[in-house]
Amino acid sequence: NAGVTQTPKFQVLKTGQSMTLQCAQDMNHNSMYWYRQDPGMGLRLIYYSASEGTTDKGEVPNGYNVSRLNKREFSLRLESAAPSQTSVYFCASSLGPYNSPLHFGNGTRLTVT
Amino acid sequence: GESVGLHLPTLSVQEGDNSIINCAYSNSASDYFIWYKQESGKGPQFIIDIRSNMDKRQGQRVTVLLNKTVKHLSLQIAATQPGDSAVYFCAELSNDMRFGAGTRLTVKP
Repeated sequence: NAGVTQTPKFQVLKTGQSMTLQCAQDMNHNSMYWYRQDPGMGLRLIYYSASEGTTDKGEVPNGYNVSRLNKREFSLRLESAAPSQTSVYFCASSLGPYNSPLHFGNGTRLTVT
Repeated sequence: GESVGLHLPTLSVQEGDNSIINCAYSNSASDYFIWYKQESGKGPQFIIDIRSNMDKRQGQRVTVLLNKTVKHLSLQIAATQPGDSAVYFCAELSNDMRFGAGTRLTVKP
């Protein structure tokens, strides 16, 4: 049982480059989330999808876009990467929106130079 | 406890001792709380949760206590083992889920 799978695990970008972080879950969860984690800080919500076909902004959405491709997959896109987006990105899923534990992937470590 | 800034609170315990990790939450309307464990290079892992209609919940070697009066949550780990070394953080749910920065637990053999 894979749970939440994120790709890639590591990525280095130059300022201005674009990339898409992929996330898939096999738990038949309805809700999916993207968080970023910076040193010494709590996880901060970038975007979430309460259910297939819906997406909403979180606490720090600027510079990001998302796509809920289907029930399993939720991708995060950086159109023009900036050094401030250097972080570890976590995808998570839950049965419903914030009414049950979030299950996290192992993260993508992104460095923007 | 909760951390602001770059330095996480740390707790160092001897193997076999009990550990208590604390968390102060901010929103008195929060009605669902979760403790997560995060090992280096991995994603947060669910440990135990508690809803606001309870003040204590036990799992395997872990107990969560909730004091709504002072908005305080604690995680107790019995007979701490080296494999328990990790960052532990709490999450509170009201309209959304807010995560604390965590406490780093180090278990000395």
